Amino acid sequence: DQQVKQNSPSLSVQEGRISILNCDYTNSMFDYFLWYKKYPAEGPTFLISISSIKDKNEDGRFTVFLNKSAKHLSLHIVPSQPGDSAVYFCAAKGGSEKLVFGKGTKLTVNP
Amino acid sequence: NAGVTQTPKFRILKIGQSMTLQCTQDMNHNYMYWYRQDPGMGLKLIYYSVGAGITDKGEVPNGYNVSRSTTEDFPLRLELAAPSQTSVYFCASSYGSLWDTQYFGPGTRLTVL
Repeated sequence: DQQVKQNSPSLSVQEGRISILNCDYTNSMFDYFLWYKKYPAEGPTFLISISSIKDKNEDGRFTVFLNKSAKHLSLHIVPSQPGDSAVYFCAAKGGSEKLVFGKGTKLTVNP
Repeated sequence: NAGVTQTPKFRILKIGQSMTLQCTQDMNHNYMYWYRQDPGMGLKLIYYSVGAGITDKGEVPNGYNVSRSTTEDFPLRLELAAPSQTSVYFCASSYGSLWDTQYFGPGTRLTVL
């Protein structure tokens, strides 16, 4: 039973355009959400997070939006750069429960 | 600061063999975790530790054992390797609280034939 779903296995965008990565969750107890980025042959690295008390969090070119009623969050990257090409994992947790990861979306930014 | 280091980077095992995946962090983090990532899948938690001497099972603990004798080290032991344990293994650590932002090692790619 997948509690965190990333329904798009891959996404391809042109350099300079916006990348939008989506994530849906089923557990209404989740109250904290994170995005991790992973390059090949490396471990995931933390990118950005958002608490359920917010609906938006911004960090430079990266913005995460949370829609609690739809149980949906998205990561926007503007403008996209070739170095952003990686696998992006959405993760969520509720209270003291463990972190649950989605399957990831592979982003390719074409020059 | 090396962060989280894992050894070996790659390993091929035969069915029934044993091995220990090493994980060390130099950030003085209390919390450490072991995950596995199968192809096309997300990370699944194997074991975690809230401090030296304290460990607990995650989502997929069968076939694995851990120990945490020091704050820095959190080795993962496979006793009788099976093909189903072919995966990439990631160790992670966090500081402030359990499940806080985690810092990952580079991973160990294990193949069991």
